[in-house]
Amino acid sequence: DAEITQSPRHKITETGRQVTLACHQTWNHNNMFWYRQDLGHGLRLIHYSYGVHDTNKGEVSDGYSVSRSNTEDLPLTLESAASSQTSVYFCASRREPNTEAFFGQGTRLTVV
Amino acid sequence: DQQVKQNSPSLSVQEGRISILNCDYTNSMFDYFLWYKKYPAEGPTFLISISSIKDKNEDGRFTVFLNKSAKHLSLHIVPSQPGDSAVYFCAASTPGTYKYIFGTGTRLKVLA
Repeated sequence: DAEITQSPRHKITETGRQVTLACHQTWNHNNMFWYRQDLGHGLRLIHYSYGVHDTNKGEVSDGYSVSRSNTEDLPLTLESAASSQTSVYFCASRREPNTEAFFGQGTRLTVV
Repeated sequence: DQQVKQNSPSLSVQEGRISILNCDYTNSMFDYFLWYKKYPAEGPTFLISISSIKDKNEDGRFTVFLNKSAKHLSLHIVPSQPGDSAVYFCAASTPGTYKYIFGTGTRLKVLA
């Protein structure tokens, strides 16, 4: 079955370190998204991509970057991790606009 | 600026009764709306969606109502079951960019 997987599921890192969260989908979806979930804020969009080599900033993109070198993967990089980036991160993909998006299981990141 | 708002952080309902979850939005250009359900330690899963050309969409126990003049969306669950206990997020799509903007979520507890 097609799926979307995130790794790692849990990560603890130190302030100032670079961290990369992986997202891999096997649906061949063009559209991919990264969200973070925080209490009181719901799901906030970090970055999104509508195809290979396409990346766009979301609502809370500062301190994060993404790259899209193939259809299946959209890794999220924290250039210099900060305690404010402690959160649960979700990756999602969808076939086309205005269709359901499928979410990964999430990555819980703690920055100490 | 929160464009999609869920003003009730939590809701408790007796099993078998109706659950009504509400969502308000500020951007009159939104043209597609979705509801997601999220269990702890899992990614959000799609429930139901509605296009702005409709005012109602049903799928089994779940019905979404859209009131464009009031910029209001609601999800009705009838009858409610203990397994429906989860956090529910509404989301809206922005025309052009087709980003999904999520609300802050409502935690539903269905009491047996």
